[in-house]
Amino acid sequence: NAGVTQTPKFQVLKTGQSMTLQCAQDMNHNSMYWYRQDPGMGLRLIYYSASEGTTDKGEVPNGYNVSRLNKREFSLRLESAAPSQTSVYFCASNGQLNLDGELFFGEGSRLTVL
Amino acid sequence: AQSVTQPDIHITVSEGASLELRCNYSYGATPYLFWYVQSPGQGLQLLLKYFSGDTLVQGIKGFEAEFKRSQSSFNLRKPSVHWSDAAEYFCAVGISGNTPLVFGKGTRLSVIA
Repeated sequence: NAGVTQTPKFQVLKTGQSMTLQCAQDMNHNSMYWYRQDPGMGLRLIYYSASEGTTDKGEVPNGYNVSRLNKREFSLRLESAAPSQTSVYFCASNGQLNLDGELFFGEGSRLTVL
Repeated sequence: AQSVTQPDIHITVSEGASLELRCNYSYGATPYLFWYVQSPGQGLQLLLKYFSGDTLVQGIKGFEAEFKRSQSSFNLRKPSVHWSDAAEYFCAVGISGNTPLVFGKGTRLSVIA
């Protein structure tokens, strides 16, 4: 099984450009998450989706939108990229069979905004 | 809301020495606790987790952690560090099976010969 797959792995944008990060999981998980990782800040939650059709803001949602396209896919969109959004983005998922809440992560997407 | 503190930003140990990475959490009830490891340029890999039961949990790569309710801590230990253990380590806390985890800021481990 592939687990959690993110695309693209690397992207360079200019300020004001838009882009969408794609995430798909093949573990039949209900919940999916987008985190960003910045040096010295750990992982901070941007948005999450507890189930298909629902999304909720996390700690740092400003400048982002999300879509839970179906149970497998959860995308993160930057409508007008800013240099402050330069970061590594991780998608993760978990499900009701993981009673302890363990997250399964993708390999990350490194985004640079110039 | 729950929170996690990892007091040490960077730790350097000699190969073969013992290791303890500290993690303190803030949450009113018993949380779900995790340690993840991230090698440079890689994603996050689960080392171990505490859900319930025995407060001393064993993980992969020879790591263990002990949940101490009285100290609100979940410290990670390894008796003998290998050079390949150099990485960043994240402690995380959750409150139920399908809610987001809250992560600490991480501790970077360097291993010297």
